Formats: sequence, structure tokens, C-alpha cells
Amino acid sequence: AQSVTQLGSHVSVSEGALVLLRCNYSSSVPPYLFWYVQYPNQGLQLLLKYTTGATLVKGINGFEAEFKKSETSFHLTKPSAHMSDAAEYFCAVSDTGANSKLTFGKGITLSVRP
Amino acid sequence: DAGVIQSPRHEVTEMGQEVTLRCKPISGHNSLFWYRQTMMRGLELLIYFNNNVPIDDSGMPEDRFSAKMPNASFSTLKIQPSEPRDSAVYFCASSYSNQPQHFGDGTRLSIL
Repeated sequence: AQSVTQLGSHVSVSEGALVLLRCNYSSSVPPYLFWYVQYPNQGLQLLLKYTTGATLVKGINGFEAEFKKSETSFHLTKPSAHMSDAAEYFCAVSDTGANSKLTFGKGITLSVRP
Repeated sequence: DAGVIQSPRHEVTEMGQEVTLRCKPISGHNSLFWYRQTMMRGLELLIYFNNNVPIDDSGMPEDRFSAKMPNASFSTLKIQPSEPRDSAVYFCASSYSNQPQHFGDGTRLSIL
């Protein structure tokens, strides 16, 4: 069975500060890893994905994440937060492919202070 | 690209009534997923289809829930009879081949 742990439910940063959202996963096989963002009253939008190859993955809106197998982590970062980044962020794992069953973490709400 | 289309966006109904949620996946996508989102349990996969065939329905909470996909462009999730604990946001997502899932905007369901 696979699982995702997102520690904490809320992160607050100042505009222009570094954003770091943590994600740890458990999977019995090489995982496919994803970060999704959810704005209020909307569905989930894919930020970035890791399948194979380069462990540093770049996504939309300046976000990136690094797959670290030894730490079973896939933390999401952005060098400089913008007010528009305020949203809920979900990490997800799949063990059989990007279009098969996803297991999501609980999500982290990011607030950005002016 | 019209995206995944869900209807209705909001549904308020009384306990015991039948509820039907609808989803139109992105044209050409061959996998369709139904998720439920609540504060307590987060995002849970209820069921998913591949080429219109249900592959995994282990997340369907009980017999009151049923899902169908009669063709590649339409799916329904039905709750009968509905209960207050079914109140949640229900998302449909679709994907093609080994590409990531695209989500609809969800149906916010309230059972009184």
C-alpha cells in the first residue's frame, strides 16, 4: 500500500519569502509523484510531476520539487512567494502510472502575507 | 480544450433522496476517476474506470453508492438513499495513457 504524509495543515510566509511545503511518501515500488494546487471553489490543477529521470522537477508558476529516494521525500519549493500562490497544495503518489490510482496527502494551506 | 465538466456545481437535497452527479471527461481520455473531498478524510478515490470498465471500486463507501460509465464521454455517480454524512465535494478527473489526471471543478453536495 502507498501513502503520503504532509506534515502540518497550514504554512504562512511573507510575500517574496521562500516557500517550502513538505511531502513524504511510502511506496513498495518506484513511485510516480505529483503536486497539485487547489484554489477556492475549484478543482485540482497539476503543478508538476515526477515519473523517471531527472530528480529535480520544474513545474508551473515557478514551483519545483526534488525527488529524494533515500529520504522518501518530494518537497515543493518556490524561491519567492507571490500573493497569488495562496491556495491548498496536495502531494500525491501512484505506484502504477500517472493515469492510475492516486493516493493524496491531507493537503497544506499556504497563506501569503503582504 | 473544454476540460472535465461536472454537473451540477451545487446540490442541496434532503436526506433519503436520490442524488445523481454527472461528469463529462476530456475528449479522447480513456480513464475516469471519481473522488470525494471532506475536511475529515481529505481526498479519497471512490472508483475509477479504464475504457469505460470499472477497474477499482474499493473506495465506494457502501451499497448506497453506484457509478456507471455507459460511454466514453459520460459518467454518473449515484447515491440512493442519501444521508447527511454524504455531504462533501465530489470531483471527477480524467486522463489518457500515462498522462496526469485533469480534474473538474467539483460538485458541492449538501444533504440536509
